[in-house]
Amino acid sequence: GEDVEQSLFLSVREGDSSVINCTYTDSSSTYLYWYKQEPGAGLQLLTYIFSNMDMKQDQRLTVLLNKKDKHLSLRIADTQTGDSAIYFCAEMGAGNNRKLIWGLGTSLAVNP
Amino acid sequence: GAVVSQHPSWVICKSGTSVKIECRSLDFQATTMFWYRQFPKQSLMLMATSNEGSKATYEQGVEKDKFLINHASLTLSTLTVTSAHPEDSSFYICSALRTGGDTGELFFGEGSRLTVL
Repeated sequence: GEDVEQSLFLSVREGDSSVINCTYTDSSSTYLYWYKQEPGAGLQLLTYIFSNMDMKQDQRLTVLLNKKDKHLSLRIADTQTGDSAIYFCAEMGAGNNRKLIWGLGTSLAVNP
Repeated sequence: GAVVSQHPSWVICKSGTSVKIECRSLDFQATTMFWYRQFPKQSLMLMATSNEGSKATYEQGVEKDKFLINHASLTLSTLTVTSAHPEDSSFYICSALRTGGDTGELFFGEGSRLTVL
């Protein structure tokens, strides 16, 4: 079946940039998503990118998509302690059921 | 931005009782909603896809008689955990796919934590 993989843990210093990487296997992906989950909370949609785009920027967030390599990354500029959370990568296939395939999440720790 | 509200956010119940969790899209219509279950420090597990006006589609291994889903309107889907047992304790999250807009927009509720004693 289709799969999404991400590294499980990333630690950065406050003020540095964070780059969270994700790889996926579904060549028919239509949308790719980044969600943020803080402890004990639900999921917050951070950003998403359509599969025919290479890059999307939204304030401190930059999403890069390499469709050939099936690689997605999320860059957070000027990382703050409030950015500490788990970041999930997910992809939506081309089927009508709109089902998302999820990575296991990358836990981002921001150190003062 | 689009808001999806879940209620209740936390519920504790006795074993054998049934619990209903609501998922509402507050400022948009959602023909399709999804129900997930999340175990501690794990990713989300899709339980079922809820379509307004029709039966839900359940993922393999999810008991449809145990987890009843009703999508009665374009803004409301409910998940009822029937005859709950301690192993049903989990974090249940719903998401709603905005109808008519950018079809990539999938928004999540805050989640409902169920504890079965």
